Amino acid sequence: QQQVKQSPQSLIVQKGGISIINCAYENTAFDYFPWYQQFPGKGPALLIAIRPDVSEKKEGRFTISFNKSAKQFSLHIMDSQPGDSATYFCAASKGGSYIPTFGRGTSLIVHP
Amino acid sequence: DAGVIQSPRHEVTEMGQEVTLRCKPISGHDYLFWYRQTMMRGLELLIYFNNNVPIDDSGMPEDRFSAKMPNASFSTLKIQPSEPRDSAVYFCASNPSGRAMRNEQFFGPGTRLTVL
Repeated sequence: QQQVKQSPQSLIVQKGGISIINCAYENTAFDYFPWYQQFPGKGPALLIAIRPDVSEKKEGRFTISFNKSAKQFSLHIMDSQPGDSATYFCAASKGGSYIPTFGRGTSLIVHP
Repeated sequence: DAGVIQSPRHEVTEMGQEVTLRCKPISGHDYLFWYRQTMMRGLELLIYFNNNVPIDDSGMPEDRFSAKMPNASFSTLKIQPSEPRDSAVYFCASNPSGRAMRNEQFFGPGTRLTVL
């Protein structure tokens, strides 16, 4: 059972464009929603995270939008750059747990 | 800080052979996780330890897989005998306890395993 559904599986964007990756979850006990970024040959690394008490969090060109009623959250990458080309994973975890449930990942390619 | 260290980075072996993957977590982190990444299944949690004690191994696919953590600075994941379908990238991750950091996983660079 996939508790966090991520889409699209792959995404191609031109330099300067906006990249949008969506995730949906089922478990209403989830209270922490991180995004991880993975470059080829590397392990995933925490990029940005949000808690459900806010609807949006922005860090530089990266923004998480959160819709609690719809149980959805998304990552927006503004002014996408070739250096952003990577695999992005959304995740969710619930209070007291150290275990995130990961989405399947989105392979992002930003063309120069 | 050196981060999570994994060895070897690449392993090629033949079906039926024993494979041992190694991990050194970040000093002071008391949670350690083993993940497997494939194109088909994404990131799968295999097992995790807290203070060197295995807490949940429900993700370990078969009895051919075993993991140990003899001390706070070392863990192994062993596959015996290995099969071609075990080919994947295996990640080790660690996590410090404590409210502020509880949800950030620090991943190692992974071991790419190929079983011929």
